[in-house]
Amino acid sequence: DVKVTQSSRYLVKRTGEKVFLECVQDMDHENMFWYRQDPGLGLRLIYFSYDVKMKEKGDIPEGYSVSREKKERFSLILESASTNQTSMYLCASLGDGFNQPQHFGDGTRLSIL
Amino acid sequence: DAKTTQPNSMESNEEEPVHLPCNHSTISGTDYIHWYRQLPSQGPEYVIHGLTSNVNNRMASLAIAEDRKSSTLILHRATLRDAAVYYCIRSVGADGLTFGKGTHLIIQP
Repeated sequence: DVKVTQSSRYLVKRTGEKVFLECVQDMDHENMFWYRQDPGLGLRLIYFSYDVKMKEKGDIPEGYSVSREKKERFSLILESASTNQTSMYLCASLGDGFNQPQHFGDGTRLSIL
Repeated sequence: DAKTTQPNSMESNEEEPVHLPCNHSTISGTDYIHWYRQLPSQGPEYVIHGLTSNVNNRMASLAIAEDRKSSTLILHRATLRDAAVYYCIRSVGADGLTFGKGTHLIIQP
């Protein structure tokens, strides 16, 4: 089974801090994704990457950046955290092959105070 | 825009079959139908996907209408552990998924 591991289940940070969310997958997948999930808004795509050092903006990239230095690891960075970035953050990976399913981590619930 | 329509919630009894409907009337020929579910405090979990014909796996069955404008996820014998939000999604290629609000499935003991 594919394993997608997010480094923290819960995280509390302060406004203005630089925040790193880490995600690791163990299936050699090319594609990785970061989403945020908010009540009433569903999942929204922040950034995705289809290869090492490659990144693409999703629907809501403002205030975020990403890093993909190794195939198995995809990091989401909040450059200067703000309270409206309090959310559940979900990482996913996707292998090659047309229309394969995405595999999700358990999420990081981030609170910005 | 999720481009799929699902009921907000459904209720079923334990050990009975559950049929979760999804409408996707604007689906194109290359869109697959994917189903995911999300249990409380967990990330979404893949359930099943298909293109044209019915599909079965150890978790569920997927019945796709002949015109592909709708589909039904079938849980053959619901358990309390199946209580979750179920999402029906159109998916093409390696782009990110668009999740709508899904169906909140309640299982009564």
